[in-house]
Amino acid sequence: AQSVTQPDIHITVSEGASLELRCNYSYGATPYLFWYVQSPGQGLQLLLKYFSGDTLVQGIKGFEAEFKRSQSSFNLRKPSVHWSDAAEYFCAVGSGGSYIPTFGRGTSLIVHP
Amino acid sequence: EADIYQTPRYLVIGTGKKITLECSQTMGHDKMYWYQQDPGMELHLIHYSYGVNSTEKGDLSSESTVSRIRTEHFPLTLESARPSHTSQYLCASRDRGNTGELFFGEGSRLTVL
Repeated sequence: AQSVTQPDIHITVSEGASLELRCNYSYGATPYLFWYVQSPGQGLQLLLKYFSGDTLVQGIKGFEAEFKRSQSSFNLRKPSVHWSDAAEYFCAVGSGGSYIPTFGRGTSLIVHP
Repeated sequence: EADIYQTPRYLVIGTGKKITLECSQTMGHDKMYWYQQDPGMELHLIHYSYGVNSTEKGDLSSESTVSRIRTEHFPLTLESARPSHTSQYLCASRDRGNTGELFFGEGSRLTVL
C-alpha cells in the first residue's frame, strides 16, 4: 500500500528566508507525486506534480520540488518565502493503477515578518 | 481555475437534522471524491465515484451517503446529523488520466450543535 509521511507538523520561517518542506513516500514502483497548498478556509490547490523525467520540477508561486528515488523523498522548496505563503501544505502520492491519491497529514507553514 | 463548486460553504445545524452538501463540476470529470478534514488534520477519503451510478466507500467509515446520477453532480447526505459530524468536507474531481491532478472545491464547513 502507498503511504506518505510529512514529518514536520509546523514549520516557522521568517519572511525572505528559504523554505524546505519534507515529504517521504512508500510505494513499490515509480510513484506520481503531488504538492498541494491550502489557504485558511479554502480547498486545496495544486502547486506541482511529478510523473517522470526531470527530477526537479517547477511549480506555481515560485515553488519547486525534487524527486529523489534513493531517499523516497519529494521535498518542496522555495528560495524566498513571502508572508502570503503561510498555509497548509500537503504532499500526495498516486500510482498508475490507483485513481485514489494518498495524502500526508500536512505541514503548517507560519511566516514571521 | 478549477470549476468545482460546493454549497453551502458554511452550515450550522441542530442534531437530528438531515443535510445535503452539494458538489458540482463543469469539467466533465469522471472521478469524484469526498474528503473529511478536521482542523489541522489530514484528509480522510469518505466516498468516491468513478462515474455515473458508481459510488464506493473510502478509507474512513462515514455515516453519510452519496449519489452520482449525473456526471457533474456528487451530493453527500447525512440523514441525521450529530455533533461528531462537525468537520470540513472537501469535494474533488479528477480527469481521465492516471496522473491527473485533483481539483478541489472550497469546502463545506459543517457544525452540528
